[in-house]
Amino acid sequence: QVQLKESGPGLVKPSQTLSLTCDVSGVSVTSGGYYWSWIRLPAGKGLEWVGRVYSSGSTSYNPSLKSRLAISLDTSKNQFSLNLTSVTAADTAIYFCARVMITFGGVMRYDYWGEGTLVTVSS
Amino acid sequence: DIQMTQSPSSLSASVGDRVTITCRASQSISNYLNWYQYKPGKAPQLLIYAASTLQGGVPSRFSGSGSGTDFTLTISSLQPEDFAIYFCQQTFSTHTFGQGTKLEIK
Repeated sequence: QVQLKESGPGLVKPSQTLSLTCDVSGVSVTSGGYYWSWIRLPAGKGLEWVGRVYSSGSTSYNPSLKSRLAISLDTSKNQFSLNLTSVTAADTAIYFCARVMITFGGVMRYDYWGEGTLVTVSS
Repeated sequence: DIQMTQSPSSLSASVGDRVTITCRASQSISNYLNWYQYKPGKAPQLLIYAASTLQGGVPSRFSGSGSGTDFTLTISSLQPEDFAIYFCQQTFSTHTFGQGTKLEIK
């Protein structure tokens, strides 16, 4: 059974770095055919795709966050992580991690998600 | 970025009703469209991928249709557990989501 679980501090001060980890069980993050992604949900708004990392370690980021964002794999712990620098109140959101399955014709589906973790940016 | 516009933003319905939620893309995305159900405090659940393919384990009362720019999610007979927030998502280019549709009990 594939499971994902987010962890990290619930409160981050403005201008500091937000760091989250997603623990993965039931599948290896090095398995081919999957991306590992972060998505966030600001209060009162829609879901926003943050970025993803492939099993090879290659990454793709939301252009609006790219200059502040890093996503990486830790294969020894079977987890992946997010680091977002210079945070502001606009980065306050529920952060989800998800597995992205790549199927026929390049179709991608986010088939397993964590329950999310609320991160508040405030002094 | 491709903008995804969902309608309605909220919807009141009764158990047993048939409901339809629409999603429009700002440009053609072929069939690269997914639908998710979200209940606060729980993990979002994939319902439909590739516009019309039902994810394994999802009840058959959920269905999706559309191609190009216009898509629909239909729930044929609402059940109590279906009251939630629904999001569409395009995966044609930099992945973007709709703003969500909150389905509430009438």
